[in-house]
Amino acid sequence: GAVVSQHPSRVICKSGTSVKIECRSLDFQATTMFWYRQFPKQSLMLMATSNEGSKATYEQGVEKDKFLINHASLTLSTLTVTSAHPEDSSFYICSVRGSTEAFFGQGTRLTVV
Amino acid sequence: DAKTTQPPSMDCAEGRAANLPCNHSTISGNEYVYWYRQIHSQGPQYIIHGLKNNETNEMASLIITEDRKSSTLILPHATLRDTAVYYCIVRPSNSGGGADGLTFGKGTHLIIQP
Repeated sequence: GAVVSQHPSRVICKSGTSVKIECRSLDFQATTMFWYRQFPKQSLMLMATSNEGSKATYEQGVEKDKFLINHASLTLSTLTVTSAHPEDSSFYICSVRGSTEAFFGQGTRLTVV
Repeated sequence: DAKTTQPPSMDCAEGRAANLPCNHSTISGNEYVYWYRQIHSQGPQYIIHGLKNNETNEMASLIITEDRKSSTLILPHATLRDTAVYYCIVRPSNSGGGADGLTFGKGTHLIIQP
């Protein structure tokens, strides 16, 4: 199955700064990648669909200007949390869809202080 | 995607079979039953999926009722490392990658007791 790598696995940033999270598909060319967010003791929620070479599609309630997604190649998508605030602290997970199942990165724990 | 219902938590003794139920009474004819699990502070991991026949792989077995309105994931010999949240998701299978993200419910928190 596909190997999906996220970086960093943990990041702490100050309120008001921006943080970039990388998601790489190591052995699979992905025209589409997905970004999820998971708050403590809750389930994963789809934030956006990242499309290679075109604009991302955001789920209702997710601010596109705050969560910038760039999918410049078939193996890399990035999520930038701009002007981060403590309420953005969460576990961010990316995913690639294979031919039948989905493959997930190991997640990025973001803490905004 | 069809809605699924799972018990919020279950306990199982180490070495015993863990049987996790899932109800999906509104499943459509073209929808598969998928199971994923999420170990604490990790990304989800695919386990198994099926349409109507029972399926088995190196991780688990999937038993789907004849009317397809419910299913059971079986971990034959549970270990402590199987402690995780298990998600049952019903959706059409996809070829060539697919365009939709997954809708996760609350899942079942399976705790394997030593």
